[in-house]
Amino acid sequence: QVTLKESGPALVKPTQTLTLTCDFSGFSLSTSGMRMSWIRQPPGKALEWLARIDWDGDEFYSTSLQTRLTIAKDISKNQVFLTMTNVDPVDTATYYCVRMGLCGSDCSSGALWFDSWGQGILVTVSS
Amino acid sequence: DIQMTQSPSTLSASVGDRVTITCRASQNINRWLAWYQQKPGKAPNVIIYKASTLPGGVPSRFSGGGSGTEFTLTISSLQPDDFATYYCQQYYARSTTFGQGTKLEIE
Repeated sequence: QVTLKESGPALVKPTQTLTLTCDFSGFSLSTSGMRMSWIRQPPGKALEWLARIDWDGDEFYSTSLQTRLTIAKDISKNQVFLTMTNVDPVDTATYYCVRMGLCGSDCSSGALWFDSWGQGILVTVSS
Repeated sequence: DIQMTQSPSTLSASVGDRVTITCRASQNINRWLAWYQQKPGKAPNVIIYKASTLPGGVPSRFSGGGSGTEFTLTISSLQPDDFATYYCQQYYARSTTFGQGTKLEIE
């Protein structure tokens, strides 16, 4: 059974750095083809993909946020992290840790769908 | 980035109705499209990937179609549990993007 759970601060001040942790179980990010991402959703708004990390260490970022984001993994602890620098009130959102689908031999050269989601963590940016 | 546009933004329907939601991509994405259902306060859940493939456990009343730039999600006979918000997602590009969502409401 795949489970994911996000943790981190509920409240962050503007200009500070936000660090989120995802603890997962039921699979290993060292397995070939495994990929994970972070997605966020501002209150009442649509989903926005932020960053991705692959089993082989490759990292990919949202075009609009790439200068502020860092994604990392700790294979031994089954954890994935997201760091966002210089946060602003517009970064207020629920942040989700997600596992990307396993496509086998039928894969897009771009990305994948998201087959397992954490419950999400609401992060508010306010002074 | 590839823009994804869903229509309508809101859809009112009744139990038993057949409904269709449309998602248009700003460029050809082949069949690299997924659909998600999200209920209030919950994480989204994938209901279709590769335009028309249902993951295990998804009821057969859901179906997806289309390719290229135009896609549809159809629910053949609405059930009370289906009233939710639906999102499409293109994964043709490495920078994956979502539609703005379609809220399916009880009429």
